[in-house]
Amino acid sequence: DTGVSQDPRHKITKRGQNVTFRCDPISEHNRLYWYRQTLGQGPEFLTYFQNEAQLEKSRLLSDRFSAERPKGSFSTLEIQRTEQGDSAMYLCASSPVAASRTGELFFGEGSRLTVL
Amino acid sequence: AQKVTQAQTEISVVEKEDVTLDCVYETRDTTYYLFWYKQPPSGELVFLIRRNSFDEQNEISGRYSWNFQKSTSSFNFTITASQVVDSAVYFCALSERYGGSQGNLIFGKGTKLSVKP
Repeated sequence: DTGVSQDPRHKITKRGQNVTFRCDPISEHNRLYWYRQTLGQGPEFLTYFQNEAQLEKSRLLSDRFSAERPKGSFSTLEIQRTEQGDSAMYLCASSPVAASRTGELFFGEGSRLTVL
Repeated sequence: AQKVTQAQTEISVVEKEDVTLDCVYETRDTTYYLFWYKQPPSGELVFLIRRNSFDEQNEISGRYSWNFQKSTSSFNFTITASQVVDSAVYFCALSERYGGSQGNLIFGKGTKLSVKP
């Protein structure tokens, strides 16, 4: 399977715990994005990497959130001291650099976080 | 501020009916992109189409067609002869960034389409 893969698919944690999600993009895609989706809403942009550089962060990304893409391949999204409001589906997407494919994002199946 | 509105929360049709999903957007930019994505029950969002703000030509792809009208800031999506497999949540999205990441998409809340046999 050469699509975007995310792990774990489901995480249940207690409030105050730290969680980490991993995303493996499509191998030839330089750009990687994290989005968050809550029930009944559209995805909301969190952050974006081009290769290993984090080029853009949303105001939604509080200081409890940190994302990395150390070698320009896979990425991790860590949430520290989780709160119930962090419960959501965390979506990773990658895209090719070609201008002709601007905004054509390839999404993974998401990592669902439930904070008790 | 940029915004995407999908006023239809849920639509239910019977197979073979035509259905149109509405999308209205707001932006101050003259250069932008509009998108439609499909999210089937499995959850994985699938890209359907991109339109740039300079191209108002309608597009048809099989049973799918899109109508972009800058005068009304709308980018509507029509499925002709709907099928059960079309059942999904459909999202309209906007990107204002011409030179930036262009992956910072503003999504609407989605329209859930149910096609019954």
